[in-house]
Amino acid sequence: GDSVTQMEGPVTLSEEAFLTINCTYTATGYPSLFWYVQYPGEGLQLLLKATKADDKGSNKGFEATYRKETTSFHLEKGSVQVSDSAVYFCALSRSSKSTFGDGTTLTVKP
Amino acid sequence: NAGVTQTPKFQVLKTGQSMTLQCAQDMNHNSMYWYRQDPGMGLRLIYYSASEGTTDKGEVPNGYNVSRLNKREFSLRLESAAPSQTSVYFCASSVEARGDGYTDTQYFGPGTRLTVL
Repeated sequence: GDSVTQMEGPVTLSEEAFLTINCTYTATGYPSLFWYVQYPGEGLQLLLKATKADDKGSNKGFEATYRKETTSFHLEKGSVQVSDSAVYFCALSRSSKSTFGDGTTLTVKP
Repeated sequence: NAGVTQTPKFQVLKTGQSMTLQCAQDMNHNSMYWYRQDPGMGLRLIYYSASEGTTDKGEVPNGYNVSRLNKREFSLRLESAAPSQTSVYFCASSVEARGDGYTDTQYFGPGTRLTVL
């Protein structure tokens, strides 16, 4: 079946550091790929998405590129802020349902 | 626009008690979902409803039942709660889940934190 594997956390960075959170997937066909973010005590919310190979999703300085050849959708940000501290989930959607990774906790220190 | 709302926010049950978690969305979405979130296990799909009047099992349906009351509301019932059902429960909705396999962005409620003693 479908699966999503995320870089294990937690990840701790200093403010203005470069962020990469790795995500790889297994799925047949052409799934859509998503990054969701969850702030403490809240539900998940969409950060960015890509619906076909080579598409780049971007939002709030975060970017991820749909790489079909490596089945990856790595999340990057050039300069993180304290307010980016949250849990990040990679997900794919196919066949009317979504499959989520286990989440990566990011803590950014001033 | 309230988005996706869930009640209650917190609940403590004793083993064997029953309860219903309520979910409503005001975005006119066709598809609705129930997930549970446990530490280190991401989100696991319990049940989903691709349209009003239909429901399907997800990854972990045992011990739960659902009702798609109308297009807006999708409830989750625990008939006889067990400690293994202690979790955070999220309801979500999306615009559509088409036959070609595409599911659009999901919009999540704030969650219900359930403890079963």
